[in-house]
Amino acid sequence: QLQLQESGPGLVKPSETLSLTCTVSGGSISSSSYSWGWIRQPPGKGLEWVATIYDSGRTYYNPSLKSRLTVSEDTSKNQFSLKVSSLTAADTAVYYCARLDYYTARPDYWGQGTLVTVSS
Amino acid sequence: QSALTQPPSASGSPGQSVTISCTGTSSDVGTYNYVSWYQQHPGKAPKLMIYEVSKRPSGVPDRFSGSKSGNTASLTVSGLQAEDEAEYYCSSYAGNNTFRVFGTGTKVTVL
Repeated sequence: QLQLQESGPGLVKPSETLSLTCTVSGGSISSSSYSWGWIRQPPGKGLEWVATIYDSGRTYYNPSLKSRLTVSEDTSKNQFSLKVSSLTAADTAVYYCARLDYYTARPDYWGQGTLVTVSS
Repeated sequence: QSALTQPPSASGSPGQSVTISCTGTSSDVGTYNYVSWYQQHPGKAPKLMIYEVSKRPSGVPDRFSGSKSGNTASLTVSGLQAEDEAEYYCSSYAGNNTFRVFGTGTKVTVL
């Protein structure tokens, strides 16, 4: 049974950098059948695709956030990570990691999500 | 890339059907048959209910069905049950640069 678990700080200050990690169990992030990614959801609002990473290390970012994002992977730990820099209150959201369809980036398995609040 | 447009709310009595629309553009819904639908209960992660317009993942009841015409996709929930009350989001592939766009969400209420 595939499981994804997000981890990271619940509270970060404006202008700082957020670091989140997704630990995958029951499947390998090195699989060439899937990609892996991050989706976020501000409180009371809709979903927003953030970033995708492939087994080759190739990354794709939401164009509106691209300049502030970095996604990486650690295959030895079966984890992938997200960094978001220059945080503002608008980055407050539940951040989900997910397994994605390789070709269409469709999320099919999701982590439970982690709430990140940006506040001083 | 703008969000796909969904009605804010929809409702029906138990046993009835409800249909939710999802309107995009020729850059996403209109071009790609990669529309998916997600069900989200409060405080929970979204769950995939429909993919590639009309396909159901294993374990999803056949009361859930999807379709598409032009730039608009639709999700129909037949034989409404109390547990179907949730927020529903559509999503579409949008090409190599934008990748994935999501809908604005529809709150389905079972009366």
